[in-house]
Amino acid sequence: QKEVEQNSGPLSVPEGAIASLNCTYSDRGSQSFFWYRQYSGKSPELIMSIYSNGDKEDGRFTAQLNKASQYVSLLIRDSQPSDSATYLCAVNREASKIIFGSGTRLSIRP
Amino acid sequence: EPEVTQTPSHQVTQMGQEVILRCVPISNHLYFYWYRQILGQKVEFLVSFYNNEISEKSEIFDDQFSVERPDGSNFTLKIRSTKLEDSAMYFCASSVLLGASNTGELFFGEGSRLTVL
Repeated sequence: QKEVEQNSGPLSVPEGAIASLNCTYSDRGSQSFFWYRQYSGKSPELIMSIYSNGDKEDGRFTAQLNKASQYVSLLIRDSQPSDSATYLCAVNREASKIIFGSGTRLSIRP
Repeated sequence: EPEVTQTPSHQVTQMGQEVILRCVPISNHLYFYWYRQILGQKVEFLVSFYNNEISEKSEIFDDQFSVERPDGSNFTLKIRSTKLEDSAMYFCASSVLLGASNTGELFFGEGSRLTVL
């Protein structure tokens, strides 16, 4: 079983719509959860972190965490072409061991 | 804005040679990391470093690899006797403490691309 699982995509969403990205993790003891964006050929960039169950909103982005279901999601409202990238889910298993999923490729079509 | 800097941006080496990749983490960050990403694959954890010692390491981080903080600013990854399969992008990252806890929020450098021939 993979530690952090994501659908590889590509996920194609029309401009202005909501993009929904999902992630599941295997270790129930995980404490911290992150979403990163990675443009092709670039390094990952932190978008959101979430530490407790529920929703966390930051601008057009909302992260959702359900520890009972071991599930993290990211919603992107009013999707823009610049949102086209690979989105990486990451989970902090140990105090300093952050594990990444393989990422979901998101494509925003005009 | 503070950033993590990495050198070199690209290094080409012959199989069996030693390589040192360098990183300058963000100045008030106390946790340092190395990750690698083979082309088209996931970002893989190699090692984390705190208080001048390795905090965690993965199965990938075997005796071929070592890390060091030789001075107050640099953080290095040494790969001894490189293999073809070591060809990848190597990312350095750092994170800040919040109180006594590691936030785990990683700030990445631009990466060092290693090509082993």
